[in-house]
Amino acid sequence: EAQVTQNPRYLITVTGKKLTVTCSQNMNHEYMSWYRQDPGLGLRQIYYSMNVEVTDKGDVPEGYKVSRKEKRNFPLILESPSPNQTSLYFCASGRGLYEKLFFGSGTQLSVL
Amino acid sequence: AQSVTQPDIHITVSEGASLELRCNYSYGATPYLFWYVQSPGQGLQLLLKYFSGDTLVQGIKGFEAEFKRSQSSFNLRKPSVHWSDAAEYFCAVGALNTGTASKLTFGTGTRLQVTL
Repeated sequence: EAQVTQNPRYLITVTGKKLTVTCSQNMNHEYMSWYRQDPGLGLRQIYYSMNVEVTDKGDVPEGYKVSRKEKRNFPLILESPSPNQTSLYFCASGRGLYEKLFFGSGTQLSVL
Repeated sequence: AQSVTQPDIHITVSEGASLELRCNYSYGATPYLFWYVQSPGQGLQLLLKYFSGDTLVQGIKGFEAEFKRSQSSFNLRKPSVHWSDAAEYFCAVGALNTGTASKLTFGTGTRLQVTL
């Protein structure tokens, strides 16, 4: 089954404790992206990747890192999480930005 | 910079009634336009998209949208709403120019409630 898998689904952590949210797709997509969803703000793009080893900043990249060492994986790294990064995070992939994007089920992150 | 406005935060319609969700975009060139739907606890699913050609676009689940360049709008419509359409709907615009080729900007969403 074609899918984008994010883990974990829920995560509670404390300020400053490094964490990684994993994202994996099985559709051989070149394009992958991370979004955060906050009430009243919709989805905002954090980082995206056009292909392996090619990543770039979206609209709200501060406090986040990504890597794209393999085509299928695109982890989101929070080196020192802060409470303002409490949010619902979505990973997405597609053959290209203007093709249909497939979204993961989301990761609800709470930073205390 | 591109932007998307969805003026209605929340809409309630009766089952069987028609629906129109508004979307206005701001972008200097020809935009790529999308409508996505998010059911509770789920990721987003593409309903339809517009790149060029016929300005009336048909999507899944009986939805359609019309691109009106003169009004910078891309409103989503459905002739008869079903209770299962209750969800949050997002309009998005993508940049055509290569300088911002990979940026997809979403609106803030419209939550649809369907009464029986």
